[in-house]
Amino acid sequence: NAGVMQNPRHLVRRRGQEARLRCSPMKGHSHVYWYRQLPEEGLKFMVYLQKENIIDESGMPKERFSAEFPKEGPSILRIQQVVRGDSAAYFCASSRFYGQGTDTQYFGPGTRLTVL
Amino acid sequence: QQQVKQSPQSLIVQKGGISIINCAYENTAFDYFPWYQQFPGKGPALLIAIRPDVSEKKEGRFTISFNKSAKQFSLHIMDSQPGDSATYFCAASKETSGSRLTFGEGTQLTVNP
Repeated sequence: NAGVMQNPRHLVRRRGQEARLRCSPMKGHSHVYWYRQLPEEGLKFMVYLQKENIIDESGMPKERFSAEFPKEGPSILRIQQVVRGDSAAYFCASSRFYGQGTDTQYFGPGTRLTVL
Repeated sequence: QQQVKQSPQSLIVQKGGISIINCAYENTAFDYFPWYQQFPGKGPALLIAIRPDVSEKKEGRFTISFNKSAKQFSLHIMDSQPGDSATYFCAASKETSGSRLTFGEGTQLTVNP
């Protein structure tokens, strides 16, 4: 059973460009979470999605950031008009369900975004 | 209300020693407390987790101690090994909110041979 997959692993963008980060959850998992880790800091929650629905986006910046988890295909975190402060590691996690006992989140290897 | 405070920021332990990392939380609605281990360049991996209905959970060399009244929990690594050198994050969540995790700031553990 493959783990959570993220691509690309490394992404370099110039200021003003768009960044698209992809996440394929573990097989059988329908919940996806995105977290951001700034250098030397802990992980900060950004958004929680189920298939075709955004459940909680309270951690996501109001502008330039968006996320989706379509019926088919991976979840996408999109950052428009990137700025240097967006440079960070972006982690995706997936889980099977919630509210019914242990709901372990399994993390992918992350995408390291560098904005020049 | 949503914060989780973790200490120490860094920890150096000799091989065979005990590593202890502490966390404190504010939100009494939290009901799930996992610890994650992260190696450089990798994603966090679940190490061990506890719920507030028990005060201690042990898995191999790793033990979580939980004090509900003090709103604190800690990770103990017995017989620490150089391979345990990594960054450790405590976290907390409320299952009814979809289990979004609130992480501590992390502890960089170095185990010297």
